[in-house]
Amino acid sequence: QVQLVQSGPEVKKPGSSVSVSCKASGGTFNNNAIIWVRQAPGQGLEWMGGIIPMFGTTNYAQKFQGRITITAEMSTNTAYMEVTSLRSDDTALYYCARKNDYYDSNGYYHDGLDIWGQGTMVTVSS
Amino acid sequence: EIVMTQSPATLSVFPGERATLSCRASQSVTNKVAWYQQKPGQAPRLLIYGASTRATGVPGRFSGRGSGTDFTLTISSLQSEDFAVYYCQHYISWPLTFTFGPGTKVDIK
Repeated sequence: QVQLVQSGPEVKKPGSSVSVSCKASGGTFNNNAIIWVRQAPGQGLEWMGGIIPMFGTTNYAQKFQGRITITAEMSTNTAYMEVTSLRSDDTALYYCARKNDYYDSNGYYHDGLDIWGQGTMVTVSS
Repeated sequence: EIVMTQSPATLSVFPGERATLSCRASQSVTNKVAWYQQKPGQAPRLLIYGASTRATGVPGRFSGRGSGTDFTLTISSLQSEDFAVYYCQHYISWPLTFTFGPGTKVDIK
């Protein structure tokens, strides 16, 4: 069974950058997309962006356009997310998740984030 | 941009009771809605996709309904392990887009 294993916690200064990795262990990305979601302390889930590693195609939430870059290496089954110009409100737990493809009883296609990494805590503090 | 809202923010329920959680989209999303459960210190868990189809391994006491703009997640008889935060989510396959609601916390009354 595929697991997503993320890199360890980070402490960064405001204005700096951070890169978080997400490795598929026990399997490969196949044609699944990898999605990044963050959760500030005590807050809800926020979608940041995603990548289809097989094609390298990405899409980012408008809020993060220009400040995040998501990449992936098929050879190592690892996805990366870099966030630049960090601010204190970027302090959060960052998750990667696998988007799986589902079909309902009527044969219609759906998405679901079925496997999640353990999360990477990024703390931004001067 | 589609906005997902959830109500109530907190739902206090006795064990064994039914819980009904609501989710509303700012415009029609057909049935492209999923529900997730998150317990403290854990990553979210996929419960429902396509508004009403349970993901693998999800107990039958969880059910989802709705289409268009209004959706519900019902937990028919709350078990101790069901006390958690529940998020609805709209998804678009291409371009990849996911929008979460703010969540509903289900706690013990």
